[in-house]
Amino acid sequence: DGGITQSPKYLFRKEGQNVTLSCEQNLNHDAMYWYRQDPGQGLRLIYYSQIVNDFQKGDIAEGYSVSREKKESFPLTVTSAQKNPTAFYLCASSIRVAGVSHEQYFGPGTRLTVT
Amino acid sequence: AQKVTQAQTEISVVEKEDVTLDCVYETRDTTYYLFWYKQPPSGELVFLIRRNSFDEQNEISGRYSWNFQKSTSSFNFTITASQVVDSAVYFCALSDFNAGNNRKLIWGLGTSLAVNP
Repeated sequence: DGGITQSPKYLFRKEGQNVTLSCEQNLNHDAMYWYRQDPGQGLRLIYYSQIVNDFQKGDIAEGYSVSREKKESFPLTVTSAQKNPTAFYLCASSIRVAGVSHEQYFGPGTRLTVT
Repeated sequence: AQKVTQAQTEISVVEKEDVTLDCVYETRDTTYYLFWYKQPPSGELVFLIRRNSFDEQNEISGRYSWNFQKSTSSFNFTITASQVVDSAVYFCALSDFNAGNNRKLIWGLGTSLAVNP
């Protein structure tokens, strides 16, 4: 079955610790995305990557870092510099065709709680 | 600037009622794409539809239908004969064209639909 996996589903950390959220896809998609969702809010883009070894900051990149060493994987690190890290994190992927915007497919999400 | 407005924060209906979720967008692009997604209580977003700006035909998929009107910058979503399983948060999104053909999505804040038995 093709899809996007995110692990773990729930993650608990102490303040001051860095934490890495996993995102893997086997859809052969070039583009991958990380979003943050807070209660009652829409999705806010953290980082996105259109191709391996390249990524761009989204609207709220401060306190986060990513890497894209493999096409299938796009891990997100929430650093201690992120002031309000508790949120629901969603990873997505899409095909990439010049001049066309394709739908994004989402993973099940990781709910991060930092205390 | 690009923007998506979903004015209805919450809607509550009784099963079998028809319900329309509104989406109004703003863009200066002549080429753009619009999307609807469903987020059930489990949290994972499910893609429903993609529409490009050159195709104004309405679309029907089972109990779901979409009305795209460029004249009013709206892309409304109607569920006919709603069911309890339709209870979810629904998001409308607009593609944003940046240099280099990198397109980001501009998201509305979502409409929470509760379908009661």
